[in-house]
Amino acid sequence: KQEVTQIPAALSVPEGENLVLNCSFTDSAIYNLQWFRQDPGKGLTSLLLIQSSQREQTSGRLNASLDKSSGRSTLYIAASQPGDSATYLCAVRGRNMRFGAGTRLTVKP
Amino acid sequence: NAGVTQTPKFRVLKTGQSMTLLCAQDMNHEYMYWYRQDPGMGLRLIHYSVGEGTTAKGEVPDGYNVSRLKKQNFLLGLESAAPSQTSVYFCASSYFKRDRKLYEQYFGPGTRLTVT
Repeated sequence: KQEVTQIPAALSVPEGENLVLNCSFTDSAIYNLQWFRQDPGKGLTSLLLIQSSQREQTSGRLNASLDKSSGRSTLYIAASQPGDSATYLCAVRGRNMRFGAGTRLTVKP
Repeated sequence: NAGVTQTPKFRVLKTGQSMTLLCAQDMNHEYMYWYRQDPGMGLRLIHYSVGEGTTAKGEVPDGYNVSRLKKQNFLLGLESAAPSQTSVYFCASSYFKRDRKLYEQYFGPGTRLTVT
């Protein structure tokens, strides 16, 4: 059974800092990995999707990498802003979609 | 496009009552999903559908039933609600291209259900 772990569970950084969120998974037989953002009381917004054949995807200040062999993905956020404060979830698509519990990010002005 | 919509947004039920959650998408997606989200546990798949008239069980299907009579709608039913079903329920949809596997999932805003 696929297990998805996100560390740390919570992170607080000052504005402007570059940061990395981690996602690890136990079964490397995946189709893709997706990073989401969730604001309090809201649904999930897709940030980046990496197919299993890809190594990374970029969108603006966000860069996601995928290392299938080691079962890891990272989400890099450059020059963080208070508006980036949210919970970030990674989800791995294998036979089904498995989600991590998320990292709650707070960016302080 | 409205994307994925869910009704209702909030609901309080008493133990043993029944209800149906409605999910609708206007993106012509083949795949639709129901998840529940509980604190510290991430999202867990309840049921999903790969097309009109088809449904399948996910990770936590017990106590729930689903139907997909129309491509754009996916209904989640609770026949006899229990306090353990207190959760936030999310619907999602996605499309599929055989050469690229499954594309990204699009989520609705969620339904917050409390069972007392």
